[in-house]
Amino acid sequence: NAGVMQNPRHLVRRRGQEARLRCSPMKGHSHVYWYRQLPEEGLKFMVYLQKENIIDESGMPKERFSAEFPKEGPSILRIQQVVRGDSAAYFCASSPDSTYNEQFFGPGTRLTVL
Amino acid sequence: RKEVEQDPGPFNVPEGATVAFNCTYSNSASQSFFWYRQDCRKEPKLLMSVYSSGNEDGRFTAQLNRASQYISLLIRDSKLSDSATYLCVVMKDGYKLSFGAGTTVTVRA
Repeated sequence: NAGVMQNPRHLVRRRGQEARLRCSPMKGHSHVYWYRQLPEEGLKFMVYLQKENIIDESGMPKERFSAEFPKEGPSILRIQQVVRGDSAAYFCASSPDSTYNEQFFGPGTRLTVL
Repeated sequence: RKEVEQDPGPFNVPEGATVAFNCTYSNSASQSFFWYRQDCRKEPKLLMSVYSSGNEDGRFTAQLNRASQYISLLIRDSKLSDSATYLCVVMKDGYKLSFGAGTTVTVRA
């Protein structure tokens, strides 16, 4: 059973460009969570999605960031007009349902903004 | 104030030693508690859940003190492979994980 998959693993963007990060949850998991880890800091919750629904986006910056989890295909975290402060590791996690305590993490996407 | 605070370490111990460290959390509404392990530049992996009664998993013992909002982890007979960053994690709202910045442990031969 493949784990959570994220791509790309490394992404380099220039200021002002768009970044698209993809996450495929574990087979059978319909709940996806995105976290951001800034250098020397703990992971911070960004957004919780189920298929076609955003359940909680309280951790998302109000501008430039959006997330979706369509009926078919991976979850996408989109960052428009990236700035240097967006440089971080972005981790996606999944769980089979909301009652399941453990979240399984993907390998992360390391975004570097030049 | 950070939601979860940990001593960053590093804790540098010889093989076979016992090492213990802890964290504190600020939100009394936190529902579930965990220790995760993160190896350098990799994803966090669940080490163990933490229960009020205290629990053991092999060489690892975790304790939770809800009154003091304090969680601890003790590693006995440490191995070289225990070298990692240990993340204290609390959950609220049933799904929202809050992570500490991590405690670095290095086990030397």
